[in-house]
Amino acid sequence: AQKVTQAQTEISVVEKEDVTLDCVYETRDTTYYLFWYKQPPSGELVFLIRRNSFDEQNEISGRYSWNFQKSTSSFNFTITASQVVDSAVYFCALSEAVGSNFGNEKLTFGTGTRLTIIP
Amino acid sequence: DSGVTQTPKHLITATGQRVTLRCSPRSGDLSVYWYQQSLDQGLQFLIQYYNGEERAKGNILERFSAQQFPDLHSELNLSSLELGDSALYFCASSELNTGELFFGEGSRLTVL
Repeated sequence: AQKVTQAQTEISVVEKEDVTLDCVYETRDTTYYLFWYKQPPSGELVFLIRRNSFDEQNEISGRYSWNFQKSTSSFNFTITASQVVDSAVYFCALSEAVGSNFGNEKLTFGTGTRLTIIP
Repeated sequence: DSGVTQTPKHLITATGQRVTLRCSPRSGDLSVYWYQQSLDQGLQFLIQYYNGEERAKGNILERFSAQQFPDLHSELNLSSLELGDSALYFCASSELNTGELFFGEGSRLTVL
């Protein structure tokens, strides 16, 4: 069975600080996808990134960066120079890749980390 | 605005009743996914349809059913409602080429 653990329930940081959200996953699949989604106060889920298990390269997108460590089954998310607009609940998710083009089927979500950026 | 439309946004009903939630995917998207977000269970995948056919099934109760119509909109039917069915129900559609999932704003169901 697949499992995603986001041990940090809530994090608060002062604006402009860097913050890292942790994600640890469990799966028996040899190929899988990992995701991060953002849920702002308005409620909708916003896709941030998808990573295939074959691709362990870290990724940077503006102030966002992701660190994928297969050896420790972790897929951590760092926001640099945080802003108030980053305040949201962030979800890490996992899905199997076999038989799937993009891994959108049967996403297993973590419980989320509520991030509050203090002005 | 993701382009995925869900109605109604809010729904209050009583135990034992039946409700239908509606989802219109983004123009051109063939896949529709339903997710449930509750305080107890978190975010859970319910079911996926692709061009009218069921493609994948998750933790969907037998009291729940869904379908996707020829115009690609989808409906999630919840029957014999229980207090524990109170949740935010999300619909999502996926972009054909990139697979990016776009979520609607959700339908918040309250069962009293």
